[in-house]
Amino acid sequence: QTVVTQEPSLTVSPGGTATLTCASSSGAVTSTYHPSWFQQKPGQPPRPLIYSLNNKHSWTPAHFSASLLGGKAALTLSGVQPEDEAEYYCLLYYGVAWVFGGGTKLTVL
Amino acid sequence: QVQLQESGPGLVKPSETLSLTCAVSGGSISSTDWWSWVRQPPGKGLEWIGEIYHTGSTNYNPSLRSRVTMSVDKSKNQFSLNLSSVTAADTAVYYCARKSLGNNFDYWGQGTLVTVSS
Repeated sequence: QTVVTQEPSLTVSPGGTATLTCASSSGAVTSTYHPSWFQQKPGQPPRPLIYSLNNKHSWTPAHFSASLLGGKAALTLSGVQPEDEAEYYCLLYYGVAWVFGGGTKLTVL
Repeated sequence: QVQLQESGPGLVKPSETLSLTCAVSGGSISSTDWWSWVRQPPGKGLEWIGEIYHTGSTNYNPSLRSRVTMSVDKSKNQFSLNLSSVTAADTAVYYCARKSLGNNFDYWGQGTLVTVSS
């Protein structure tokens, strides 16, 4: 059973930089895993941010970016804002199945 | 703009079958997109259940494959999820979503809570 691992929690100060990562139990994450990133706030559905590694949606804030970092998929928030406080999930592709990470709770404090 | 809306019973008895429908508006279910189901137990993370193409081709989560069936109704522009032999562990908010070209899960429904309880 493939496991996708994210940091359970991160705390960042307003204006700071947060890097969230997404690791695969099967080895290094590459572009073939088509990493996606979602933001979720309480009581709301997931909001897509990034797809296929580093493609943004029209509604994705400019200070969000994504990449591969040290064998993991990474989501970087530069100049964090209070409204960025949320749960963030990554999603990876394994042939015919998709697997979500456990989520990272980002606190802006 | 594409909109997705889940519907179905909010309460299902253990051992019975959970049945949900996702109505698609603003786009055709017969397009080049795949249509997915994702669930989220209360207070927990997201779990991909599976996806279906308008031709009826499906891909399911291996951990749920034995209990999951998905179908498409082109005449109603909707797709459905059946999950059999449910237990309390299947209690979750169930979301439907569109996966468009480029493996882009771009549009999601608001979700519907299904509770498994006698």
